[in-house]
Formats: sequence, structure tokens, C-alpha cells
Amino acid sequence: EPEVTQTPSHQVTQMGQEVILRCVPISNHLYFYWYRQILGQKVEFLVSFYNNEISEKSEIFDDQFSVERPDGSNFTLKIRSTKLEDSAMYFCASSGNGRTGEKLFFGSGTQLSVL
Amino acid sequence: DQQVKQNSPSLSVQEGRISILNCDYTNSMFDYFLWYKKYPAEGPTFLISISSIKDKNEDGRFTVFLNKSAKHLSLHIVPSQPGDSAVYFCAASRLNDKVIFGPGTSLSVIP
Repeated sequence: EPEVTQTPSHQVTQMGQEVILRCVPISNHLYFYWYRQILGQKVEFLVSFYNNEISEKSEIFDDQFSVERPDGSNFTLKIRSTKLEDSAMYFCASSGNGRTGEKLFFGSGTQLSVL
Repeated sequence: DQQVKQNSPSLSVQEGRISILNCDYTNSMFDYFLWYKKYPAEGPTFLISISSIKDKNEDGRFTVFLNKSAKHLSLHIVPSQPGDSAVYFCAASRLNDKVIFGPGTSLSVIP
């Protein structure tokens, strides 16, 4: 079965540094998402992306965050200047046509640790 | 603002018995409800969903029940198996809107 691939699986960075989390969504999917889960908390929506632009973003997704689809296969999340509270598991997800109720396919996540 | 609530953080069930995971929501405008299952070190995987126009959906050992008047849904797993031990997330969405997840319930199925 096709799957969403995320790299790296673990990322350790110093506070204030920039990080880029990478994702390869399922090839024929059109909608892409980033979610995150802080340890012990719920999975939180960050941003959705369609047709090369952000379709929706949460309050968490401030100016320090950006997303990009630099080519036909990769989907990246950049955090410009990391803060301690950015430490979390970041999940990329994709779906075929973004219709309500259509299931999201999630990657295995990138565990980001900001020191 | 918790729009999707799972009030039981954990649940233990004997193998072969029924597991019932509960979920409540506050937004009556949700159109679709989904259950995701998550193992450690993996991303959530889709399990089963139900449209707001239905009250039951069944897929093998998994059945989801929706009570719109009570804004409540539940996931039944019968019979429970040790491999079902995981964190179960209830999720909901409105038409053309993002999926909102609940905090999750950790299910342990005891052999």
C-alpha cells in the first residue's frame, strides 16, 4: 500500500536554529497537511496545503512556520527560529481530494527536540 | 476549546471481550466522524468513519455508533485482540474543513 514518508525520524536542534522537516506524500494525492503532537497532548492541526498554496492554518502556525512544495514530490515544513515549545512529534498527512470524511494518510512522524 | 473530547485517557479489556471507546463533541456542524489508531513511533492510521446522516457503520470487528442528539459517538471492538492495544483517536470534520482530533484513549487488551 502507498505510504507517506517523513525524514528525518528524529531531529535535535538548538533553540533559535532553523529546521526543515521533509515529507513525501502519496504520489497521486492533492491535499497535504502538517499536524503535531506535543508529548502527552492531542494531535493538533497546523496547516493544510492545496494547489501550491496554504488553504488553512491554525493559530499555532505563526510567522515562524512555512510550508513549501519545492518539486512534484516533496512537502516541507520549515521552522525559522525554533523555540523550546516547538518540541513535538510532527506528522505529515495527505489525502486524495480533500473531501470531508476522506481519510488522511499519515507518515510515521518526525520527533523534533529543541534544546 | 476542545471540540472533540475523549474523557477516558485509558481503558483495559480482557482479550475476547468488547472494547467500547467513547467520544463527545461540541460542534453540531460536524459532517463526518473518524476513528484513527496509533501505535508507538508510528503515525495515526485510519480505522473507520461515519457520516453525520448515519447512526451506525460496521467494518469487521469494528462498529461506530453515532448519537447526534447527544453529540456522542462510540467505537466498539468485538472481540478485542491483543494487537488492538494502541491509542485510539476520535476525529471530526466539517464540509471542506480540517480534521480535528480528540486527545486519545489508550486501549490495553490483556491476553
